[in-house]
Amino acid sequence: GENVEQHPSTLSVQEGDSAVIKCTYSDSASNYFPWYKQELGKRPQLIIDIRSNVGEKKDQRIAVTLNKTAKHFSLHITETQPEDSAVYFCAASIGGSGGGADGLTFGKGTHLIIQP
Amino acid sequence: KAGVTQTPRYLIKTRGQQVTLSCSPISGHRSVSWYQQTPGQGLQFLFEYFSETQRNKGNFPGRFSGRQFSNSRSEMNVSTLELGDSALYLCASSRQGGNTEAFFGQGTRLTVV
Repeated sequence: GENVEQHPSTLSVQEGDSAVIKCTYSDSASNYFPWYKQELGKRPQLIIDIRSNVGEKKDQRIAVTLNKTAKHFSLHITETQPEDSAVYFCAASIGGSGGGADGLTFGKGTHLIIQP
Repeated sequence: KAGVTQTPRYLIKTRGQQVTLSCSPISGHRSVSWYQQTPGQGLQFLFEYFSETQRNKGNFPGRFSGRQFSNSRSEMNVSTLELGDSALYLCASSRQGGNTEAFFGQGTRLTVV
Protein backbone atom coordinates (compact mmCIF):
# COMPACT_ATOMS: atom_id res chain seq x y z
CA GLY A 1 0.00 0.00 0.00
CA GLU A 2 0.83 3.66 0.00
CA ASN A 3 3.48 5.03 2.37
CA VAL A 4 3.88 8.74 3.13
CA GLU A 5 7.01 10.13 4.78
CA GLN A 6 6.90 13.65 6.27
CA HIS A 7 9.79 15.89 7.36
CA PRO A 8 10.70 17.52 9.63
CA SER A 9 8.82 16.23 12.67
CA THR A 10 9.33 19.58 14.42
CA LEU A 11 9.95 22.97 12.82
CA SER A 12 10.59 26.18 14.71
CA VAL A 13 10.65 29.47 12.80
CA GLN A 14 10.64 33.15 13.71
CA GLU A 15 7.40 35.02 13.24
CA GLY A 16 7.37 36.55 9.78
CA ASP A 17 9.72 33.95 8.29
CA SER A 18 8.70 31.17 5.89
CA ALA A 19 8.13 27.51 6.76
CA VAL A 20 8.45 24.53 4.44
CA ILE A 21 7.23 21.00 5.17
CA LYS A 22 8.08 18.15 2.81
CA CYS A 23 6.40 14.82 2.07
CA THR A 24 7.24 11.90 -0.16
CA TYR A 25 4.89 9.15 -1.28
CA SER A 26 5.54 5.68 -2.62
CA ASP A 27 2.62 4.81 -4.91
CA SER A 28 2.79 6.50 -8.29
CA ALA A 29 -0.98 5.93 -8.66
CA SER A 30 -1.71 8.47 -5.90
CA ASN A 31 -3.39 11.49 -7.42
CA TYR A 32 -4.74 13.58 -4.57
CA PHE A 33 -2.64 15.32 -1.91
CA PRO A 34 -4.37 17.30 0.86
CA TRP A 35 -2.78 19.11 3.80
CA TYR A 36 -4.44 19.32 7.20
CA LYS A 37 -3.77 21.58 10.18
CA GLN A 38 -4.57 20.29 13.65
CA GLU A 39 -4.48 22.54 16.68
CA LEU A 40 -4.24 21.00 20.12
CA GLY A 41 -7.48 19.26 21.06
CA LYS A 42 -9.18 20.14 17.79
CA ARG A 43 -10.13 18.34 14.60
CA PRO A 44 -7.82 18.24 11.56
CA GLN A 45 -8.81 21.04 9.18
CA LEU A 46 -8.21 20.94 5.45
CA ILE A 47 -6.07 23.95 4.53
CA ILE A 48 -5.11 23.23 0.93
CA ASP A 49 -5.01 20.34 -1.52
CA ILE A 50 -3.55 19.56 -4.92
CA ARG A 51 -4.33 17.03 -7.59
CA SER A 52 -1.81 15.28 -9.79
CA ASN A 53 -2.68 17.27 -12.90
CA VAL A 54 -1.42 20.46 -11.22
CA GLY A 55 2.14 21.38 -10.20
CA GLU A 56 1.45 24.24 -7.80
CA LYS A 57 -1.46 25.80 -5.97
CA LYS A 58 -1.62 28.95 -3.83
CA ASP A 59 -4.08 30.32 -1.33
CA GLN A 60 -2.96 33.59 0.24
CA ARG A 61 0.08 32.77 2.45
CA ILE A 62 -0.10 29.05 1.78
CA ALA A 63 1.16 27.17 -1.27
CA VAL A 64 1.64 23.55 -2.18
CA THR A 65 3.94 22.16 -4.87
CA LEU A 66 3.90 18.69 -6.38
CA ASN A 67 6.66 16.85 -8.22
CA LYS A 68 5.13 13.68 -9.65
CA THR A 69 8.40 12.42 -11.09
CA ALA A 70 10.16 12.55 -7.74
CA LYS A 71 6.96 11.64 -5.87
CA HIS A 72 7.17 14.47 -3.40
CA PHE A 73 5.04 17.44 -2.44
CA SER A 74 5.64 20.37 -0.12
CA LEU A 75 3.72 22.91 1.92
CA HIS A 76 5.00 26.47 1.99
CA ILE A 77 3.77 29.03 4.51
CA THR A 78 5.01 32.60 4.08
CA GLU A 79 4.94 35.48 6.58
CA THR A 80 4.23 33.09 9.45
CA GLN A 81 2.03 34.25 12.31
CA PRO A 82 1.51 32.92 15.87
CA GLU A 83 -1.81 31.35 14.84
CA ASP A 84 0.06 29.16 12.36
CA SER A 85 1.44 27.16 15.31
CA ALA A 86 -0.08 23.66 15.03
CA VAL A 87 0.60 20.15 13.77
CA TYR A 88 0.44 19.84 9.99
CA PHE A 89 -0.30 16.56 8.23
CA CYS A 90 0.20 15.71 4.60
CA ALA A 91 -1.77 12.90 2.99
CA ALA A 92 -2.08 11.02 -0.27
CA SER A 93 -4.84 9.00 -1.85
CA ILE A 94 -5.71 7.17 -5.03
CA GLY A 95 -9.03 7.64 -6.67
CA GLY A 96 -11.27 9.51 -9.02
CA SER A 97 -14.06 11.88 -8.17
CA GLY A 98 -16.38 8.92 -8.17
CA GLY A 99 -14.65 6.99 -5.45
CA GLY A 100 -11.44 6.20 -3.64
CA ALA A 101 -9.23 3.19 -3.41
CA ASP A 102 -7.52 3.11 -0.05
CA GLY A 103 -8.62 6.21 1.83
CA LEU A 104 -6.14 8.87 2.88
CA THR A 105 -2.64 7.77 3.93
CA PHE A 106 -1.18 10.35 6.29
CA GLY A 107 2.32 11.42 7.13
CA LYS A 108 3.31 11.41 10.81
CA GLY A 109 2.87 15.15 11.15
CA THR A 110 5.04 18.24 11.64
CA HIS A 111 4.80 20.30 14.79
CA LEU A 112 5.24 23.88 13.61
CA ILE A 113 6.27 26.36 16.29
CA ILE A 114 6.20 30.08 15.52
CA GLN A 115 8.61 31.97 17.78
CA PRO A 116 7.54 35.57 18.56
CA LYS B 1 -24.21 24.33 6.88
CA ALA B 2 -23.60 22.04 9.85
CA GLY B 3 -20.23 20.32 10.01
CA VAL B 4 -19.42 16.69 10.72
CA THR B 5 -20.79 15.63 14.10
CA GLN B 6 -19.45 12.76 16.17
CA THR B 7 -20.99 11.34 19.32
CA PRO B 8 -20.09 10.76 22.03
CA ARG B 9 -17.07 13.04 22.50
CA TYR B 10 -15.56 10.95 25.30
CA LEU B 11 -15.93 7.34 26.29
CA ILE B 12 -14.35 5.13 28.93
CA LYS B 13 -14.71 1.38 28.54
CA THR B 14 -13.30 -1.75 30.16
CA ARG B 15 -11.23 -4.36 28.35
CA GLY B 16 -13.41 -6.95 26.68
CA GLN B 17 -16.39 -4.66 26.25
CA GLN B 18 -17.66 -3.38 22.94
CA VAL B 19 -18.34 0.19 21.85
CA THR B 20 -20.31 1.97 19.12
CA LEU B 21 -19.38 5.41 17.82
CA SER B 22 -21.57 7.59 15.64
CA CYS B 23 -20.83 10.04 12.83
CA SER B 24 -23.25 12.38 11.05
CA PRO B 25 -21.73 13.74 7.83
CA ILE B 26 -22.20 17.13 6.21
CA SER B 27 -25.53 17.31 4.38
CA GLY B 28 -25.11 16.08 0.81
CA HIS B 29 -21.97 14.09 1.55
CA ARG B 30 -22.30 10.40 0.76
CA SER B 31 -18.86 9.15 1.77
CA VAL B 32 -17.84 8.62 5.39
CA SER B 33 -14.35 7.46 6.35
CA TRP B 34 -13.07 6.50 9.78
CA TYR B 35 -9.56 7.05 11.14
CA GLN B 36 -7.75 6.13 14.33
CA GLN B 37 -5.35 8.73 15.73
CA THR B 38 -2.70 7.81 18.31
CA PRO B 39 0.54 9.56 19.32
CA GLY B 40 2.63 6.61 18.14
CA GLN B 41 0.94 5.64 14.87
CA GLY B 42 -0.55 8.95 13.82
CA LEU B 43 -3.68 8.95 11.66
CA GLN B 44 -4.55 5.53 10.25
CA PHE B 45 -7.36 4.69 7.84
CA LEU B 46 -9.93 2.23 9.14
CA PHE B 47 -12.60 2.04 6.43
CA GLU B 48 -14.81 4.04 4.11
CA TYR B 49 -18.52 3.78 3.45
CA PHE B 50 -20.36 5.11 0.44
CA SER B 51 -24.08 4.66 -0.20
CA GLU B 52 -24.37 2.12 2.64
CA THR B 53 -21.55 -0.05 1.26
CA GLN B 54 -18.07 -0.50 2.64
CA ARG B 55 -15.91 0.49 -0.27
CA ASN B 56 -12.41 0.48 1.24
CA LYS B 57 -10.76 -1.01 4.31
CA GLY B 58 -7.47 -0.39 6.09
CA ASN B 59 -5.27 -2.86 7.95
CA PHE B 60 -7.22 -3.31 11.15
CA PRO B 61 -8.50 -6.55 12.72
CA GLY B 62 -12.04 -7.75 12.23
CA ARG B 63 -12.96 -6.44 15.70
CA PHE B 64 -13.33 -3.08 13.98
CA SER B 65 -16.47 -2.85 11.90
CA GLY B 66 -18.89 -0.25 10.68
CA ARG B 67 -22.02 0.48 8.76
CA GLN B 68 -23.74 3.32 7.00
CA PHE B 69 -27.41 4.13 6.95
CA SER B 70 -29.58 5.44 4.12
CA ASN B 71 -29.23 9.02 5.45
CA SER B 72 -25.40 8.63 5.21
CA ARG B 73 -24.92 8.57 8.98
CA SER B 74 -22.33 6.02 9.95
CA GLU B 75 -21.50 3.98 12.99
CA MET B 76 -18.27 2.28 13.95
CA ASN B 77 -18.15 -0.68 16.31
CA VAL B 78 -15.19 -2.13 18.16
CA SER B 79 -15.71 -5.46 19.90
CA THR B 80 -13.62 -7.14 22.59
CA LEU B 81 -11.82 -3.92 23.44
CA GLU B 82 -8.09 -3.99 24.15
CA LEU B 83 -5.95 -1.41 25.96
CA GLY B 84 -4.30 -0.59 22.63
CA ASP B 85 -7.62 0.54 21.19
CA SER B 86 -7.41 3.70 23.30
CA ALA B 87 -7.27 6.49 20.74
CA LEU B 88 -9.04 9.41 19.15
CA TYR B 89 -11.45 8.10 16.50
CA LEU B 90 -12.15 10.57 13.75
CA CYS B 91 -14.63 10.38 10.95
CA ALA B 92 -14.43 12.43 7.77
CA SER B 93 -17.14 13.09 5.24
CA SER B 94 -16.83 13.99 1.58
CA ARG B 95 -19.17 14.20 -1.39
CA GLN B 96 -17.81 11.21 -3.24
CA GLY B 97 -14.68 10.00 -1.44
CA GLY B 98 -11.60 9.51 -3.60
CA ASN B 99 -10.03 12.82 -4.49
CA THR B 100 -12.83 15.01 -3.19
CA GLU B 101 -12.29 17.19 -0.12
CA ALA B 102 -12.76 15.42 3.21
CA PHE B 103 -13.86 17.24 6.36
CA PHE B 104 -13.30 15.84 9.82
CA GLY B 105 -15.49 15.68 12.88
CA GLN B 106 -14.14 16.55 16.33
CA GLY B 107 -13.60 12.91 17.14
CA THR B 108 -14.48 10.51 19.93
CA ARG B 109 -11.81 10.03 22.58
CA LEU B 110 -11.97 6.36 23.62
CA THR B 111 -10.13 5.23 26.73
CA VAL B 112 -9.94 1.52 27.49
CA VAL B 113 -9.07 0.61 31.09
